[in-house]
Order: sequence, then C-alpha cells, then structure tokens
Amino acid sequence: GEDVEQSLFLSVREGDSSVINCTYTDSSSTYLYWYKQEPGAGLQLLTYIFSNMDMKQDQRLTVLLNKKDKHLSLRIADTQTGDSAIYFCAESGGATNKLIFGTGTLLAVQP
Amino acid sequence: NAGVTQTPKFQVLKTGQSMTLQCAQDMNHEYMSWYRQDPGMGLRLIHYSVGAGITDQGEVPNGYNVSRSTTEDFPLRLLSAAPSQTSVYFCASSEGYGYTFGSGTRLTVV
Repeated sequence: GEDVEQSLFLSVREGDSSVINCTYTDSSSTYLYWYKQEPGAGLQLLTYIFSNMDMKQDQRLTVLLNKKDKHLSLRIADTQTGDSAIYFCAESGGATNKLIFGTGTLLAVQP
Repeated sequence: NAGVTQTPKFQVLKTGQSMTLQCAQDMNHEYMSWYRQDPGMGLRLIHYSVGAGITDQGEVPNGYNVSRSTTEDFPLRLLSAAPSQTSVYFCASSEGYGYTFGSGTRLTVV
C-alpha cells in the first residue's frame, strides 16, 4: 500500500536554508505535494511537482524529486520566523486520485 | 468563491451520540475526501469519493459513513461517537491535482 515517511522535527536559524525530506513507496504516484500548516489553521498547498519532473523552483522554495529512490525534498531558502509550521509531504495518483500524507515535519525557526 | 466549507467548526459530543459533519465545495470538483488529524500521526484518510454516487474507504473508515448524492456535498456521519474519534477533521476537494482543504472541525467526544 501507499506509505509516506518524514522526519518529525527540524530546527534552523533565521536566514539559513531548511531542507525537509520525504520518502514514499507508491511507484504510481503522479503528483507529489508539499503542504504547510500553521498552528490552529488548515492546510495550505505550497507547491507540487509532477512525477516526470526532477526539480521545481518557486521563489524561495525548491522541490527536488528522485523518482528512482522515491525521495522528495523541500528546500526553503533564507528561512524566516514566519516559516515556522508543520510541513506535510503528500502523494496522489492512479484512478482514485487519493491523497496520502506523511506524518509531517515541524520546522522551528530560531531568531 | 467560498472554496471548501466545513460546518460546524467545533463540536462536543457524548459517547454514543451520532452526528454529521458537513462539507460543501463550490468549485465543481469531482474528487472529495475526509481526513482526521491526530498529533504525531499526520492526516489519515477516512473516506473518499471520485464523483457523485461513488465513495470508497480510506485508511481509517471504521465508525464513519459517507454519501455523495451531489457533486457539491460530501457529509461525514459518525454513527455512535467514541472518545477515540476525538480529533480534527478536514474535508478536501480536487479537480485532479492540488487538493483544497476546508478549515476543519474540532470534535471532542466525552
């Protein structure tokens, strides 16, 4: 079945780069996503990458996909205190388009 | 454009009570899903639908029912609430990629 794994916690200093990693098992994944959740809030779609792409850049965000190793990463350049949140990796694909989430990585940005 | 609307935002139930969590979207999305979020466990898929009249079970369906009589609405029914169903529930919809989420319902079962 589908499984998505993430490390639970990452701490960085303001201004540094953050790299959040994710691995998944479903080889039929079509889209891979990064969602952000601030405390007490819903989920905000940050970015996504189609499975036939290796990289996608969107302002401070860079997504890297290694399809052979089923590894996805999110790099946040010049991390700010406002980036402190839980970041979820998720994948979808196939006829059902089910969206399956990882457990989330809590990013703490120290001033 | 309201997006995905969930009601209520907060609810307290007694063990054994039943209730329905409402979800409506105005984007004509075919795909809709219900998730529960518990600390340290991410979001787990309860039920999902690929279109009106079609529903299927996700990872944790026990104790929940759904129906999809229209494209817009996807209600989640708790048949007999248990303390283990205390959680935050999110509804989401998609046209094929990039799910949009509602703001969530915080449910406490005492």
